[in-house]
Formats: sequence, C-alpha cells, structure tokens
Amino acid sequence: DTGVSQNPRHKITKRGQNVTFRCDPISEHNRLYWYRQTLGQGPEFLTYFQNEAQLEKSRLLSDRFSAERPKGSFSTLEIQRTEQGDSAMYLCASSLDRASGGSTDTQYFGPGTRLTVL
Amino acid sequence: GDSVTQMEGPVTLSEEAFLTINCTYTATGYPSLFWYVQYPGEGLQLLLKATKADDKGSNKGFEATYRKETTSFHLEKGSVQVSDSAVYFCALSDPISGNTPLVFGKGTRLSVIA
Repeated sequence: DTGVSQNPRHKITKRGQNVTFRCDPISEHNRLYWYRQTLGQGPEFLTYFQNEAQLEKSRLLSDRFSAERPKGSFSTLEIQRTEQGDSAMYLCASSLDRASGGSTDTQYFGPGTRLTVL
Repeated sequence: GDSVTQMEGPVTLSEEAFLTINCTYTATGYPSLFWYVQYPGEGLQLLLKATKADDKGSNKGFEATYRKETTSFHLEKGSVQVSDSAVYFCALSDPISGNTPLVFGKGTRLSVIA
C-alpha cells in the first residue's frame, strides 16, 4: 500500500494560465475525492468519483474547473484561466465503498498540491 | 446543510497536560464522525473515527466519544507530548442522507511546549 500520491506538490503560475494536477489513489480504492484547503480553514469538498463516474460536484467547482477519472484509476483536476483566488492546497483522497468491502467513509488523503497564482 | 464547529485555536499546552478539543456537529442523518490530524508539512491523517452513537474512537492515546444527545465528538488526550503539535480537524460524513464527502471544521492548532 503506497498511499495516495499527488503531483506536482507545488505549482506556481501566473493569472490566466491553465494548470492540471494529478492524483493516484490507493490502488484498490474505487472512490476518489478532491478537496480544496485555504489557509486557516478546513478542507472543502469539490467533487468525487465512483470508479470513472463523477457522482457529485460542489457549487465551489466553477465552470473553470474540470475533473476526470477516465479509467477509474488516477484522476486529474484542471483549472482554466486561473485567478488569484484559486491559490490554495488541493487535496485528493480515496476510499473503498462499503459494497466493495471497505470501511464506511474512511478516506485516505494525499499530501496535496499547493497552488500559488501570481 | 451539514456542518461541524470546533473550538478555535491556537491551543498551547505544556507537555503532559490534559487536552480537550471541542467539536459539535449538525447533520440531517446519522453521520460518521472523524478526527484528522495534520502535522507540519504533511497531509491529513485519520486519527480516529466513530460510526454510531456511544461509540468511542481511540488511537495513539487520543479518544473521542460519539454523543448523539449533545451532537458532540470532543477529542481528548490525558497527557500530550511535544510530538502531538499539529492541526486537528473534526469531520463528518453523512452517507444515509447522501452526503458521502467529508464536511470539516476549521481546524484547531495545538502547540505543546516542553
């Protein structure tokens, strides 16, 4: 079990540029979540997948944000036309749902990608 | 909607002191409750959890009891160490009402001094 990994760990970009982050979940986990954490706050839910299906999106996820999980394994989160307000830590988590034998609701987090928009 | 409220920090304690971090929640269903910890420079780690009323979660000397009557899940430790210095997050997940993603509190920063 290698845990959840995220790349890159840090990203600095200029306003208006597009950025893409990658998350590799724990291999047998079928659920994958994206959260955003700003300084001094708890993580806020953005979206989640069950296998390749995107099941829920938060209203925080504006039209500039898109997430994919094309083969039900790794996921990407893209932000288009970045704004300074997008600066945050982007966290990925994974879990195995109960129907598949997992422990209900236990999500395991990656180290996060810190985005700074200048 | 569902929400979590936890005591604001920072909390500063001397080594071996008793720790309590208060957490209360609002949920429409019967949530599972969690405490996550974030050590400096690291990601969130699950510390403990409880999935039904009166359950006690425990790990590394930390404990929290799911109190449905007071909608609380306070974190306690009898004797803190310098290595416990971190940010602690209370969270809930309410799958019965359809809310599988975690809802977090704002976090409480704990500093333990020798």
